[in-house]
Amino acid sequence: NAGVTQTPKFQVLKTGQSMTLQCAQDMNHEYMSWYRQDPGMGLRLIHYSVGAGITDQGEVPNGYNVSRSTTEDFPLRLLSAAPSQTSVYFCASTPHGRQYEQYFGPGTRLTVT
Amino acid sequence: AQTVTQSQPEMSVQEAETVTLSCTYDTSESNYYLFWYKQPPSRQMILVIRQEAYKQQNATENRFSVNFQKAAKSFSLKISDSQLGDTAMYFCAFMKHDSGGSNYKLTFGKGTLLTVNP
Repeated sequence: NAGVTQTPKFQVLKTGQSMTLQCAQDMNHEYMSWYRQDPGMGLRLIHYSVGAGITDQGEVPNGYNVSRSTTEDFPLRLLSAAPSQTSVYFCASTPHGRQYEQYFGPGTRLTVT
Repeated sequence: AQTVTQSQPEMSVQEAETVTLSCTYDTSESNYYLFWYKQPPSRQMILVIRQEAYKQQNATENRFSVNFQKAAKSFSLKISDSQLGDTAMYFCAFMKHDSGGSNYKLTFGKGTLLTVNP
């Protein structure tokens, strides 16, 4: 198993550009989530999904969209990037019924200039 | 809403010594999980140890152990025989336990940067 994969590892955007951060898992996990990590702030939940076709907002959802068309993939879309979205983004997945097992991806470092 | 507080932004320890990282949390829930995650310079999030709130016994994993004080809402991490590879950011995290297993949201503290000196 590749586990949780994220692409790209690094990205630089200009203000106003759009892009999609990719997240995929090959463990058939039902639950997937996106967190952002800012210096001095820990990780904060952006959006999450409890299964294909079902998504919901976390603590800091503004400026981000998500969809979950398959169990494996959970992309995070930035429609119009802003400097405040400069951060490290982590995707995580969890198997059903084992909520205490979170598998994190390696992260994407995004810089918006 | 739950909050997790790590009051030590940075700590340092000499190799082979013992260090304790502090974490307090606030919740009205009676059943939950607490975690310590390690984030080395590689950025990967690594689970160090987990504690279920209904268990009175403190969790241990080799050189890592916790002091879980439920009434005081305190969850400290003790690292014994510190090694250079323990240098990392450490995050304390909270998750509400759901009997149906359908809550998966983690609430993190701001982290403690631990440096192990040779």
